[in-house]
Amino acid sequence: GENVEQHPSTLSVQEGDSAVIKCTYSDSASNYFPWYKQELGKRPQLIIDIRSNVGEKKDQRIAVTLNKTAKHFSLHITETQPEDSAVYFCAASAANAGGTSYGKLTFGQGTILTVHP
Amino acid sequence: KAGVTQTPRYLIKTRGQQVTLSCSPISGHRSVSWYQQTPGQGLQFLFEYFSETQRNKGNFPGRFSGRQFSNSRSEMNVSTLELGDSALYLCASSLIGVTNSPLHFGNGTRLTVT
Repeated sequence: GENVEQHPSTLSVQEGDSAVIKCTYSDSASNYFPWYKQELGKRPQLIIDIRSNVGEKKDQRIAVTLNKTAKHFSLHITETQPEDSAVYFCAASAANAGGTSYGKLTFGQGTILTVHP
Repeated sequence: KAGVTQTPRYLIKTRGQQVTLSCSPISGHRSVSWYQQTPGQGLQFLFEYFSETQRNKGNFPGRFSGRQFSNSRSEMNVSTLELGDSALYLCASSLIGVTNSPLHFGNGTRLTVT
């Protein structure tokens, strides 16, 4: 089955710096890659996602890049703020023969991001 | 539009007991998935239901089961509880599956087994 590796496990940056989190996946059939942010004691919230027919997607200070050949994707956060501090999870989902991924996501182990004021 | 609602928020059970968790998806969402979150194993997929049918299942023992009702609400049941079942159980819903729409998570049920 699918396996997702996420690095680094912890990341500490100064406010205003950029943060990059990287993930690799094993199943070449994976075609949907979301990123979730989970604050302490709260639910995971989708912050950005990308599908395999796109190489890059941006939403304000957040961007995701996908390299299908190398089977890795990355989250980029620019101009970090203290409120960006949280655990970030990458995930991958593979479509079945009918093209539907259903609701199964394989998650990375998470990255604890700390942004120091 | 209301988000994914899970009840109860907290549960304390004893080894050997069984437990039922409930999930109401976002209105109009027909796919409901369940995940287990623990510090050691992270987020792991349990199963997914669509139109009252289980479409996909993760690598969990048969003690973990679920079902979905005609109104898309879902329940999961864990029988013969073990200490290792202590975890945050998250429910997530999407319109019909992540091919077309993202997963939205509920706040979870924190299960503690003593």
